[in-house]
Amino acid sequence: GAVVSQHPSRVICKSGTSVKIECRSLDFQATTMFWYRQFPKQSLMLMATSNEGSKATYEQGVEKDKFLINHASLTLSTLTVTSAHPEDSSFYICSAVDGTSDYNEQFFGPGTRLTVL
Amino acid sequence: GQNIDQPTEMTATEGAIVQINCTYQTSGFNGLFWYQQHAGEAPTFLSYNVLDGLEEKGRFSSFLSRSKGYSYLLLKELQMKDSASYLCAVSDSNYQLIWGAGTKLIIKP
Repeated sequence: GAVVSQHPSRVICKSGTSVKIECRSLDFQATTMFWYRQFPKQSLMLMATSNEGSKATYEQGVEKDKFLINHASLTLSTLTVTSAHPEDSSFYICSAVDGTSDYNEQFFGPGTRLTVL
Repeated sequence: GQNIDQPTEMTATEGAIVQINCTYQTSGFNGLFWYQQHAGEAPTFLSYNVLDGLEEKGRFSSFLSRSKGYSYLLLKELQMKDSASYLCAVSDSNYQLIWGAGTKLIIKP
């Protein structure tokens, strides 16, 4: 089945620093990847849709200059949280669509738990 | 606006059957997904319905009625490992997923 990896799984950083999260589709090519954020006991919140070779499409209320997304290849998308602050602490999850799958379902990475001190 | 409703929490007994409902109002419809999410983990795909009717997959079944904007996930022979949140998501006219808030299912022995 389609496998998506994320790295790192956990990161703790100081306020003001930048953090990069990688999302890779391991056994398929993903023209589209999605970045979500999830706060405790809440549902997934879509942050942006990332298309290979083009600029990401951000959801309303998500600052594109703060959450930099780069979809450099068909198997890699990165999310950089710039000048992170404690309120950015959250569970960040990426997903990717395998265009050859039966249902075009999103396959999720294991998530990255970010803690900003 | 677009809206997905599902109960916040449900409790069931090990070995029993539970039905988790989901109602939706979206701009367009290109299918409905159910995902399972254990605490601290990412969601995993359970089922997909785009036509009316019941789709059965082992202990899990999913039903869809497009005219009613309604779906349910049926879990049979509940096991303790089924304790998780179950997320309903609808693919809208732009193929973007609209997510419900999830139903936390608690299984008691």
